[in-house]
Amino acid sequence: TQLLEQSPQFLSIQEGENLTVYCNSSSVFSSLQWYRQEPGEGPVLLVTVVTGGEVKKLKRLTFQFGDARKDSSLHITAAQTGDTGLYLCAGAPPTGANNLFFGTGTRLTVIP
Amino acid sequence: NAGVMQNPRHLVRRRGQEARLRCSPMKGHSHVYWYRQLPEEGLKFMVYLQKENIIDESGMPKERFSAEFPKEGPSILRIQQVVRGDSAAYFCASSPSNRKVKNNEQFFGPGTRLTVL
Repeated sequence: TQLLEQSPQFLSIQEGENLTVYCNSSSVFSSLQWYRQEPGEGPVLLVTVVTGGEVKKLKRLTFQFGDARKDSSLHITAAQTGDTGLYLCAGAPPTGANNLFFGTGTRLTVIP
Repeated sequence: NAGVMQNPRHLVRRRGQEARLRCSPMKGHSHVYWYRQLPEEGLKFMVYLQKENIIDESGMPKERFSAEFPKEGPSILRIQQVVRGDSAAYFCASSPSNRKVKNNEQFFGPGTRLTVL
């Protein structure tokens, strides 16, 4: 089993603040995905990073894949109440298997 | 283009009953995955199926759980003789065929919340 630890587990911030969420593992992944999940719904794919060191931006969200492809970070600039949700990272094993290993999740609450 | 559909959205069963969860993948997708999510936790992989074949069931409990993806119709996750510990959200995801799947990208349904009384 390839474990992905996310930190912090819970995060509560004021609207307009910046934040970073981390996803760490001792295992290498061929790609890593970030999802956001709303209460009562399924995860929605935000981004996929593939290359070590890769940085992708999605409006106010910046995703980075570690050089060794073992970790990733999600940075949100000027958080909005609509960013509230559970953020999950998920890694694809380098073996070529099709399943994903999910992180433990970070529950973000943005307070107006 | 409809997304991944799951039904029922909520299912209540008493201990010892059977639970049948259904998943219809996105149009054009031939791969289906089932995951289980306990409260405040991430998703745990259970099983990966293609039409009429189980490809990887390494995450599926050995007893009481089974899955199928018939040639026609939705994928079914079946839990026999449910126990309270089976209470969880069960998510189905789908992806295109191997030649088209990109970086294991999977698209998730809204889930079925199973409550065992």
